[in-house]
Parts: sequence; structure tokens; C-alpha cells
Amino acid sequence: DIQMTQSPSSLSASIGDRVTITCQASQDINNYLNWYQQRPGKAPKLLIYDASNLETGVPSRFSGNGSGTDFTFTISSLQPEDIATYYCQQYDNLLYTFGQGTKLEIK
Amino acid sequence: QVQLQESGPRLVKPSQTLSLTCTVSGGSISSGSYYWSWIRQAAGKGLEWIGRIYTSGSTNYNPSLKSRVTISLDTSKNQFFLKLSSVTAADTAVYYCARVRRISHITTFGVVITGYFDYWGQGTLVTVSS
Repeated sequence: DIQMTQSPSSLSASIGDRVTITCQASQDINNYLNWYQQRPGKAPKLLIYDASNLETGVPSRFSGNGSGTDFTFTISSLQPEDIATYYCQQYDNLLYTFGQGTKLEIK
Repeated sequence: QVQLQESGPRLVKPSQTLSLTCTVSGGSISSGSYYWSWIRQAAGKGLEWIGRIYTSGSTNYNPSLKSRVTISLDTSKNQFFLKLSSVTAADTAVYYCARVRRISHITTFGVVITGYFDYWGQGTLVTVSS
């Protein structure tokens, strides 16, 4: 099975900061990598699909990049409503796998 | 607007079977463009995919849970279901149902179908305790 390593596990940043999260796959997954935001007490929400495609209605400050085994997720200018846990997710061989999550807090 | 809503008992005794229903509105589970899936999240933990079902009734399960999981659907009611048998305290979690958008990729190895979870239910906490 493909393992997903997401880092950091937690992150503290200031409003307006640029924030980057990484996700590394144990094998080449092409660009089949998605990113989700989970606010406290809520269901996850799709932000980015296929590594770099912004889901409809998602603010443009969110972006994704990468292919193969190494992927990044970026918030260009952190807003208060971005406080959440972020997960990467891949699909391979009939199995969906999530990263461990990155908890983002305001400094 | 597609909406998913989980329902079922919130408290299950150890060794019994956990049963949940996901009711879909605003879209048909008979559509061939989607899978329908269950995911769970233990308190303070990450997301664990349980399994999925297609409109044909074809299923795929997480190997770690496969021996205890059954997912089924009722297209006439626009619902799909989760049954998890022989539960223990380790199965205490928030259970989500979600829609998976199927995406076809044409590669040198042929067609690869991936997907992402584009609509989620609000989640329901199921506690396993005597």
C-alpha cells in the first residue's frame, strides 16, 4: 500500500502569512492527490483535486502543486477562517489513503 | 445542492453490529459518475476510509476492515448503508458518508479511474460501550 507522509503535523502562523504544507507519497501517484480542509467539529471540505485544480467556490489564496511523489499545498495569505486541519488524500489500487493531517493555528 | 445525512444508533454494545444509513438528496445515487463512500474519524485522530459502493452494487473495502464491513444501497430510497460487525471500543468514531466523484485518466497503461470526496455528510458520532 502507498503511504502518505504529511508535514508538518502542526503549524502556527500569523494572519497574512504564506503557509505551505507538504505531502510525500511512498510511490509515484502521478498527480492523483487531493487536499481537504476540516474546521473543528465539521466535515472535511474538498479544496484541491488532482494536485493543482481548485474546487469550484474555493478562494484563490489556496493552491496546490506537485506530481509523482512530492506535493505542496499553499495558502498565499492566511485568513482567520483558515484555522483548520488540512489533509492530503490519494487513491491507489482500490484504496483511498489520507495523510496524518496538519493542524494550522494562528500565532 | 447535493446533501448527505447520516442516521442510525449512536450507542452500540461491544460485539454487536453498527448500522448506519446515509440519505442522499439533490442528486441520484444511481448516477454512474459517482461512488458512495463511508469514512470514519476517531476523536483527535485522522480520517480512515472504510469502503465504497457503486450504483451497480459493486463494493470495495479497506483491507483493514474488510472482514467486518458490508456496504449496500437502495436506489429506490436514494440511500446507502454501512454495517460494521463485531465492534469494539476502537470503533468509536465520527462516521461520515461522502460522495466520490469518479475521474477517468487516460494513461499509457490504459484508463485509470481515481476520485475525490466532493460532498460529505455532517457526520454522526457512534460510541461503542456496554
